[in-house]
Amino acid sequence: KAGVTQTPRYLIKTRGQQVTLSCSPISGHRSVSWYQQTPGQGLQFLFEYFSETQRNKGNFPGRFSGRQFSNSRSEMNVSTLELGDSALYLCASSPSTGRFNEQYFGPGTRLTVT
Amino acid sequence: AQSVTQPDIHITVSEGASLELRCNYSYGATPYLFWYVQSPGQGLQLLLKYFSGDTLVQGIKGFEAEFKRSQSSFNLRKPSVHWSDAAEYFCAVGATFGNEKLTFGTGTRLTIIP
Repeated sequence: KAGVTQTPRYLIKTRGQQVTLSCSPISGHRSVSWYQQTPGQGLQFLFEYFSETQRNKGNFPGRFSGRQFSNSRSEMNVSTLELGDSALYLCASSPSTGRFNEQYFGPGTRLTVT
Repeated sequence: AQSVTQPDIHITVSEGASLELRCNYSYGATPYLFWYVQSPGQGLQLLLKYFSGDTLVQGIKGFEAEFKRSQSSFNLRKPSVHWSDAAEYFCAVGATFGNEKLTFGTGTRLTIIP
């Protein structure tokens, strides 16, 4: 079974631009969560989607948004990029929602904002 | 809200030596506890998890962890490390009620010397 895939793997953007990152979960998994990883803040939860609905949201500004499609693939969007948005963005999928489910992580998208 | 502390930012051990990585959590009840490993350029892989029951948990790659309620700890151990164990290790806690997602520690970088 293929793992979680994220595209693109690397991205360089300029301040003020917007960016869209994509995540394809493991086949059959319906929950997708997004995390931001930075050296200063560590791993922080962004949001979770299940059955095309946002179930949980972390403490991030409204510039960060996401969506999930009927095939469970998910995208996250960051508008008006700031230098501080440079990070590794990790996507994780699990069969269902809820804290009992093990999360499987993708390799991440490394976003650099200049 | 829950929190996790990994007091050691960086640990260096010799190949073949034993390893213990520390993790302390703060939560009002018994939480769900996890250890993840991240190799360079990779996503996170789950090593082991504790939900309830036996406080000594066995994981993959020869790792184990022990939940100690009295010390609010969930330390990761391995009797003999291999060079391939060099990576960053993250402890995470999940709430047992409410609708919160995983909270990660800041990670411990493990270096193996021959």
